[in-house]
Amino acid sequence: GAVVSQHPSWVICKSGTSVKIECRSLDFQATTMFWYRQFPKQSLMLMATSNEGSKATYEQGVEKDKFLINHASLTLSTLTVTSAHPEDSSFYICSARDEGPGKGTSGIYEQYFGPGTRLTVT
Amino acid sequence: DAKTTQPPSMDCAEGRAANLPCNHSTISGNEYVYWYRQIHSQGPQYIIHGLKNNETNEMASLIITEDRKSSTLILPHATLRDTAVYYCIKGSGGSNYKLTFGKGTLLTVNP
Repeated sequence: GAVVSQHPSWVICKSGTSVKIECRSLDFQATTMFWYRQFPKQSLMLMATSNEGSKATYEQGVEKDKFLINHASLTLSTLTVTSAHPEDSSFYICSARDEGPGKGTSGIYEQYFGPGTRLTVT
Repeated sequence: DAKTTQPPSMDCAEGRAANLPCNHSTISGNEYVYWYRQIHSQGPQYIIHGLKNNETNEMASLIITEDRKSSTLILPHATLRDTAVYYCIKGSGGSNYKLTFGKGTLLTVNP
């Protein structure tokens, strides 16, 4: 089945530094990927839609200059948390939509999630 | 957008069927019902989706009412590993669609 990986699975960084999280679709093409954030005991909140070869689309209230997204290939999207602060500590989850050949013929594109990255900013 | 209603929590005995309800009374004609689950500290896992007809796969069954305003996810023989938050989401699923998660139902399977 379709697999999405994330790296790293967890990271601890100091306040003021930047952290890059990678999201890869391992066995399918993903023109579109999504980034979510999840705080403890809360649901997933969509942060942005990452489009291969173009700028990401951010949800309302998400700072695009703080959460830099790059989607340079059909299998890789990166999220960089710039100048991280303790309030950025969260569980970051990516997902990728399977838009390869033959997909979407029924009108639906399957979306697969990565295992998540736990970010702790000290 | 989510716009579905689920009970915040449910309990189920191991080996019994778990029936998770979802209300999506505002669903439109081209919207599907999707179910995902999230085991603690993991990414969400796709379970099943349906439009009008009942659906079954190796994980679960999805029963959609005739008026499509509600559905039930059935895990036929719940195990301890099925303890998770279950999300019911409605949406078109097309190229412009974005999965939006509500609060879901925390299903606890008890031994």
